[in-house]
Formats: sequence, C-alpha cells, structure tokens
Amino acid sequence: GAGVSQSPSNKVTEKGKDVELRCDPISGHTALYWYRQSLGQGLEFLIYFQGNSAPDKSGLPSDRFSAERTGGSVSTLTIQRTQQEDSAVYLCASSGVGGALMKKLFFGSGTQLSVL
Amino acid sequence: SQQGEEDPQALSIQEGENATMNCSYKTSINNLQWYRQNSGRGLVHLILIRSNEREKHSGRLRVTLDTSKKSSSLLITASRAADTASYFCATDNTDKLIFGTGTRLQVFP
Repeated sequence: GAGVSQSPSNKVTEKGKDVELRCDPISGHTALYWYRQSLGQGLEFLIYFQGNSAPDKSGLPSDRFSAERTGGSVSTLTIQRTQQEDSAVYLCASSGVGGALMKKLFFGSGTQLSVL
Repeated sequence: SQQGEEDPQALSIQEGENATMNCSYKTSINNLQWYRQNSGRGLVHLILIRSNEREKHSGRLRVTLDTSKKSSSLLITASRAADTASYFCATDNTDKLIFGTGTRLQVFP
C-alpha cells in the first residue's frame, strides 16, 4: 500500500476483554515498530520487528501484551484482559531498514483504544 | 523511559514569527530526528541530522545539534497557522527510536 495502515481506527472495549490491533506496513519495509501514546504524552516504545522476529520486546508493559508479525508484513498487537490504563493511541510505524541503520519511520494514523 | 525532553512544553506565537523548540537527550546517538504530529495521530518525519553534523536546513526548518551538550533545536521560520501541531525529537537507541515528550506549537493567524 501507499502508507502504513492501521485498523481499527477506534476501538471501545470493556475492562477485561481482549483486543487485537492490526498494522499493515508499507510494502517491502522490513522493520516494524509499535508505540503507545497516552493523552498529551510522548511516545512509549513497545516492540520492534525485523522481518518476523522481534529482537526488542523491552517496551511491552506486561505479559498481557503480545505481538506477532507474519510473512514479514502484517503485525498484530494483542492486549489480553484489558485495563483502563491501557487506554491510549497505539501507533505503528515501518522503516525500509531496521536496527542500527534505521532512518526515518513512516507512521500509521493509529488506533485509539478506550477501555471502559 | 524517554530519551529526549523537549522544551518548552507549549508555545504560542503569531503568524510570521519564528518558533524555536529545544530537545535534550541522555545517551550517545547516531542521529537525531524531528517529527510533527497533528491531532494526536500519526507522526510525520521532518528532518534527520547525523551526529557528525552541526546544522541542517530544509525549507523553513533549521535544525542544530550539539553533541557535547546532548541537545538539539528546531527553528521554524516565518510560521504559519498550518504549522500548529506537536513536534517531537527522536534519537536512535540501538535498534529503535526513542521519542521526547514533545512541544505543542500554536500559531495564531
């Protein structure tokens, strides 16, 4: 596709439910990143994929958070047993080159997650 | 934890004025980038400056980098109402970008 696509754009869920957030990176981009942004705050790094492997999962807040990437393309971020503090905008970004050679990131429009 | 801290947190100016935002970071870097965010959604890359560069220009944007002070500044000249947005600096940390806390810029017509 022309840009990074995220779905859904908005998700409202009840506390305790599981949610899946999807990211379609720019075609051919090998590196994929997930960030979280709470209202009025900066971006918090969650996880980074190079191809289908995740060399850096250091930002995942708890074991309720997991992510996978298949076929070196689409990624899914799953949050189990959602809590109100999980409410935030979840941003996905991709880059043609990852790791230490990484240059600029291309961001999707994000998923606004609201946990009631 | 976040690598960069921007100041000011918020800045309000009139159209035509210049806007200066500063970023400080903690560890050594390969490059520093600036991004813009409208309405709390996706970020757009503005400019990248390498650690061996001191100044870079792109249109109305001017970025400086002082690695000895671990700081950078973004200057927007002749601002426009359309420049209203949040601006973030980002530094590379091994294999990812770490973003600062951002400056919210409001440009009044």
